[in-house]
Amino acid sequence: GAVVSQHPSWVICKSGTSVKIECRSLDFQATTMFWYRQFPKQSLMLMATSNEGSKATYEQGVEKDKFLINHASLTLSTLTVTSAHPEDSSFYICSARGRIQQPQHFGDGTRLSIL
Amino acid sequence: GQQVMQIPQYQHVQEGEDFTTYCNSSTTLSNIQWYKQRPGGHPVFLIQLVKSGEVKKQKRLTFQFGEAKKNSSLHITATQTTDVGTYFCVLERDYGGSQGNLIFGKGTKLSVKP
Repeated sequence: GAVVSQHPSWVICKSGTSVKIECRSLDFQATTMFWYRQFPKQSLMLMATSNEGSKATYEQGVEKDKFLINHASLTLSTLTVTSAHPEDSSFYICSARGRIQQPQHFGDGTRLSIL
Repeated sequence: GQQVMQIPQYQHVQEGEDFTTYCNSSTTLSNIQWYKQRPGGHPVFLIQLVKSGEVKKQKRLTFQFGEAKKNSSLHITATQTTDVGTYFCVLERDYGGSQGNLIFGKGTKLSVKP
């Protein structure tokens, strides 16, 4: 089946640090990639959608200057949490999809802890 | 905006008992998807239902889509400890340029006592 690789799987860093998370589709071309955030005991909340070669579309309430998304190729999208603070600590998950009718395939997620 | 209500939030069962989670939407859905997330893991796609009244089975799992395409259910027969996890019903946003974006329900967390 389709595989999506997400790296790193966990990050612990100091407040004010910027953190980059990579999401790669390993065996298919991902026209669209999605970034979600999941707080403990809560559901997944979509943060933004990115299509290869174009600017990401952010959900309401998500700061685009805080969460920088780049989707430079059909197999790679990155999320950079800039100047991270403790309230940004969460589980960040990416997903990738080939065509609009196909299901999304999720990466393993990144646990981000900001001290 | 579009949203989906899912109940119950938690379900504790004895191994071998059946389990059902329900999903309701205030609007008619083009389709509904179900995902499973194991503790500490990522969501895994289970199934997509498209047709009114559709019923699909995957071994001990039975998925139903209501006649009005506003509700859905997932039923697990004779639960096993491997069924532990959170089950999400998920709908696709179907307006404007956001077609295909997923909206997750709050999920039902299933625990199974051996």
